Amino acid sequence: DIVMTQSPLSLPVTPGEPASISCRSSQSLVHSNGRKYIDWYLQKPGQSPQVLISLGSNRASGVPDRFSGSGSGTDFTLKISRVEAEDVGVYYCMQALQIPFTFGPGTKVDIK
Amino acid sequence: EVQLVESGGGLVQPGGSLRLSCAASGFIFSDYWMHWVRQAPGKGLVWVSRIKSDGSYREYADSVKGRFTISRDNAKNTLYLQMNDLRAEDTAVYLCARALGYDAVWGQGTMVTVSA
Repeated sequence: DIVMTQSPLSLPVTPGEPASISCRSSQSLVHSNGRKYIDWYLQKPGQSPQVLISLGSNRASGVPDRFSGSGSGTDFTLKISRVEAEDVGVYYCMQALQIPFTFGPGTKVDIK
Repeated sequence: EVQLVESGGGLVQPGGSLRLSCAASGFIFSDYWMHWVRQAPGKGLVWVSRIKSDGSYREYADSVKGRFTISRDNAKNTLYLQMNDLRAEDTAVYLCARALGYDAVWGQGTMVTVSA
């Protein structure tokens, strides 16, 4: 199975400031078709997960442009350009390259 | 509005069975792969199973293979998860999801508790 790790696991943030979450996979998530099979999800408190980014860098419909995804190979990053109070929750990366799909342990983002 | 509503969870003894359902609305159900993902209390997300849009292909996590069966009824816009030989470690909220990735939509989940 592909193992996904995230850092940090806890991230206190200040509204208006940038934030960054790293995700690493135990093997490359770049398919032979060139696509990067990594998605990012946010699970707000008491809610189900919602997709933020797919295929490494594609913002899902309705996702604010302050969220961006980047990276390649085994190293990926989710960046929030200016954190807002509504961004608190647990962020998960997930690889969709091979079965079983696997998630990172999650990064808990809260307001300082 | 796109919506997924899970049902069928509950308390079951070890070795018992449950059948979960996920009713879909607001989109063409038969166009999408569907998934089950679970989340143990206070823990992270774990992928469980997926089924192709026409039901012809299914895959499972090793931890549930041989015990769980995913199925769908496209005429009823409903996804199922038949869970047999349940174990304490299967205790979790079970969420159904449409097409993990760009088009992902998740239900609110149904709680399954396996305990004597």
